[in-house]
Amino acid sequence: GAVVSQHPSRVICKSGTSVKIECRSLDFQATTMFWYRQFPKKSLMLMATSNEGSKATYEQGVEKDKFLINHASLTLSTLTVTSAQPEDSSFYICSARGRGSTNSPLHFGNGTRLTVT
Amino acid sequence: DAKTTQPPSMDCAEGRAANLPCNHSTISGNEYVYWYRQIHSQGPQYIIHGLKNNETNEMASLIITEDRKSSTLILPHATLRDTAVYYCDNSGGSNYKLTFGKGTLLTVNP
Repeated sequence: GAVVSQHPSRVICKSGTSVKIECRSLDFQATTMFWYRQFPKKSLMLMATSNEGSKATYEQGVEKDKFLINHASLTLSTLTVTSAQPEDSSFYICSARGRGSTNSPLHFGNGTRLTVT
Repeated sequence: DAKTTQPPSMDCAEGRAANLPCNHSTISGNEYVYWYRQIHSQGPQYIIHGLKNNETNEMASLIITEDRKSSTLILPHATLRDTAVYYCDNSGGSNYKLTFGKGTLLTVNP
C-alpha cells in the first residue's frame, strides 16, 4: 500500500515552455503533498508544501509564480514549471502524507527528470 | 545549521550488518526520528521511524539513545541492493515537513 505515482518520469522541453508534473496517491488520500528538487549529487531540497483545497506554502527562495502548485483533490497534486529555463533542469520529486496521520511517514514518487534545452 | 548530522560515507561488506549513525541533538519532545534512503536516480524510500523506543521492521532496526539525541539505523545483513544514500530526519506534529540533510552514502561491497 501507500503508493505514490509521479508522471512523467522524464521530460525534455525547450526554453520558455511550461511543463506540468503530476503526483498521485494511488491507494490513500493525501491531505498534504510535498514537492522537492534535487540537483546532481546534492540532497533533496524542499520547494513547497501543498494542502488539499488551499494555497501551497513555498520555502524561502522558491518563486511561487515560477513553480505553480495545485492540489485540487485528495489524490492529485500538480507542479507546473512556467517558462522553463535551462537552470530549471533538475530532478523533481513529490511525496504525500495520508489523511489523519500526523506522524506517519511520507511516501515518495519516483521523480521526474526535467531537461530544458 | 542542519538538524541532523551524518557521516558522508560508509562501506560495508555484503552479508554483514551496516550500522548508520545520526546525531539529532536539537530534537524536541514530540518529534519522531525518521530514516529514508535513496537509491540512485529514484525517489526516496521510507525505512523506519520511532519516537523513543527501539523499533524493528522487515527492513531494518532503529536504536534511539535514551536522551534521544542520536540514533543508529541497522541493516542486519546488507546486500548489494542496499547501496544508497541514507537520510535521517527528526520531525513531528500535525504539520511536520521532512527536510533532508546530506545523508550517508552507504556502499555495500561484494
